Amino acid sequence: NAGVTQTPKFRVLKTGQSMTLLCAQDMNHEYMYWYRQDPGMGLRLIHYSVGEGTTAKGEVPDGYNVSRLKKQNFLLGLESAAPSQTSVYFCASIRTIPYEQYFGPGTRLTVT
Amino acid sequence: AQSVTQLDSHVSVSEGTPVLLRCNYSSSYSPSLFWYVQHPNKGLQLLLKYTSAATLVKGINGFEAEFKKSETSFHLTKPSAHMSDAAEYFCVVSEVTGGGNKLTFGTGTQLKVEL
Repeated sequence: NAGVTQTPKFRVLKTGQSMTLLCAQDMNHEYMYWYRQDPGMGLRLIHYSVGEGTTAKGEVPDGYNVSRLKKQNFLLGLESAAPSQTSVYFCASIRTIPYEQYFGPGTRLTVT
Repeated sequence: AQSVTQLDSHVSVSEGTPVLLRCNYSSSYSPSLFWYVQHPNKGLQLLLKYTSAATLVKGINGFEAEFKKSETSFHLTKPSAHMSDAAEYFCVVSEVTGGGNKLTFGTGTQLKVEL
């Protein structure tokens, strides 16, 4: 039981490049969330999913896309990276009863 | 709309002295409230949560928090700080929406523990 894993742990991109971040969970949770964390701003929700095949926008969705083709995986894509997307990205998998969020270790992304 | 205010961005204490990290919230509904801790270059770990049961909530590592509805506060305390408590702490409020529980994070309080 690995909990929530994120791949990769670190990445450096040039402006305009694309990449996909992978979040995987082995707890059979329906809900999965992607957050970004920036200094002095806490965590902000980018996109979320309430089940396989479903996605929805969060607080800061612009510049990101997501897919949830398999229940255990939630992918976050950057089609054309910008320096403003330099951040630490956290994925969370949610147990609803009782409610608790399980966070991955994070992906540190730098866009130059 | 819900919101969370962590009143101090930085708190510094001496080892062995009490810790108080302050959090105020606003919510249209009966909220669930959480405290998370994040050590440097690590993910977030749940310290404790309030979900409308006992107003005094005990968490891991000796931390506890008291839900005070009249003051809309959920302050985090620990009687005696340890060096290993140095980390960033986030207060989080949750409300149920059509998309599940929506979490709103505070901006964090950096706790420094000095010898």
